[in-house]
Amino acid sequence: DIQMTQSPSSLSASIGDRVTITCRASQDISNYLAWFQQKPGKAPKSLIYAASSLQSGVPSKFSGSGSGTDFTLTITSLQPEDFATYYCQHYKNYPLTFGGGTKVEIK
Amino acid sequence: EVQLVESGGDLVQPGGSLRLSCAASGFTFSDHYMDWVRQAPGKGLEWVGRSRNKANSYTTEYAASVKGRFTISRDVSKNSLYLQMNSLISEDTAMYFCVRADSPGSGYPPSFAYWGQGTLVTVSS
Repeated sequence: DIQMTQSPSSLSASIGDRVTITCRASQDISNYLAWFQQKPGKAPKSLIYAASSLQSGVPSKFSGSGSGTDFTLTITSLQPEDFATYYCQHYKNYPLTFGGGTKVEIK
Repeated sequence: EVQLVESGGDLVQPGGSLRLSCAASGFTFSDHYMDWVRQAPGKGLEWVGRSRNKANSYTTEYAASVKGRFTISRDVSKNSLYLQMNSLISEDTAMYFCVRADSPGSGYPPSFAYWGQGTLVTVSS
């Protein structure tokens, strides 16, 4: 199975900050990588697929990059609604697996 | 508008069975891969299994943790996805989400696009 490792597991940031979250795959997954946002008590929301393509309706403040084993999610100009937990997930093969999550909190 | 509405979650005893449903609307159900993803209380996301689309004969895949105990099926006439869960154990306690997966093009694997709100399964005596 492919293991997905996110770092950091949590971070504190201020309104207006730029935040970067890292996701590493245990083997080459090409660009078969997605990112999700989840707020407390809510279902996850799909943000990015194919490592860098925004899902429909997702604002351009979210961006993704990477290929192979190393990926990043960047959020610019952090706003109150962006404080949430973010997950990466590979879909190169089965089983599909998620990273452990990164909780973005208000400083 | 794409809508996925899960139902069927309940409190069940260890060793028991439960069937979850996901009512889909706003899209052509048979065209899409559909998945189940779960989240134990306070934990991360775990993929449970997949039903491929009609073009791929609705074949299924499962996580090792549920293989042989859980079965995914569809009723296309009702635009519904199901998760039959047997031999339930305490580790199956979780919120279960129904997810639609989309492919950006032919030959490209689908990724999760739309999520339902989830239904809660609690396995406890």
